[in-house]
Amino acid sequence: EAGVAQSPRYKIIEKRQSVAFWCNPISGHATLYWYQQILGQGPKLLIQFQNNGVVDDSQLPKDRFSAERLKGVDSTLKIQPAKLEDSAVYLCASSLHAGQSYEQYFGPGTRLTVT
Amino acid sequence: AQSVTQPDIHITVSEGASLELRCNYSYGATPYLFWYVQSPGQGLQLLLKYFSGDTLVQGIKGFEAEFKRSQSSFNLRKPSVHWSDAAEYFCAVGSNTGNQFYFGTGTSLTVIP
Repeated sequence: EAGVAQSPRYKIIEKRQSVAFWCNPISGHATLYWYQQILGQGPKLLIQFQNNGVVDDSQLPKDRFSAERLKGVDSTLKIQPAKLEDSAVYLCASSLHAGQSYEQYFGPGTRLTVT
Repeated sequence: AQSVTQPDIHITVSEGASLELRCNYSYGATPYLFWYVQSPGQGLQLLLKYFSGDTLVQGIKGFEAEFKRSQSSFNLRKPSVHWSDAAEYFCAVGSNTGNQFYFGTGTSLTVIP
């Protein structure tokens, strides 16, 4: 089966610009996650969707970050305006259902550099 | 609050040698514990997980991990390392009442011939 797809793989922008990332989860996976992985750190959950509803967005900086999952399939994560500290790899993951017993499958990530 | 500590930022081992990567967690109840591997340019891949039962867990690629409640540890081991094992390894803890994952800061493994 196809894995989690993400695009673009790399993005360089200047601070105060906006950027969007796209994720296509594994077919049939109801749960989708966005993580931020800053260099030298482990991934940090930003937002979790169950179908097209938000389950957890407690660590999403809502003043500049937004995410949506239209029709419960693809998802986009947007940053507007970007700050230098947003430089990171943004990982998308999906799982069949919510809950720890279901394995999360990760995409290759989008590496964002903010200059 | 849940947290994960990986004390070793970087480890170098010779090919064929044994490996142990340390992971300590902080969690009030019985945790769900995971080890992931991340190769350059690749997404995270699940190596193994512990939910309950036998405290010695077998995973893919010849890895195993042992849950020790008394030490709050979940160390990853492999008896003989291959050059292809060079990667970043992350330990993670999850709650059994929710969906939140907490990752450690990772251990970078270098394998020398």
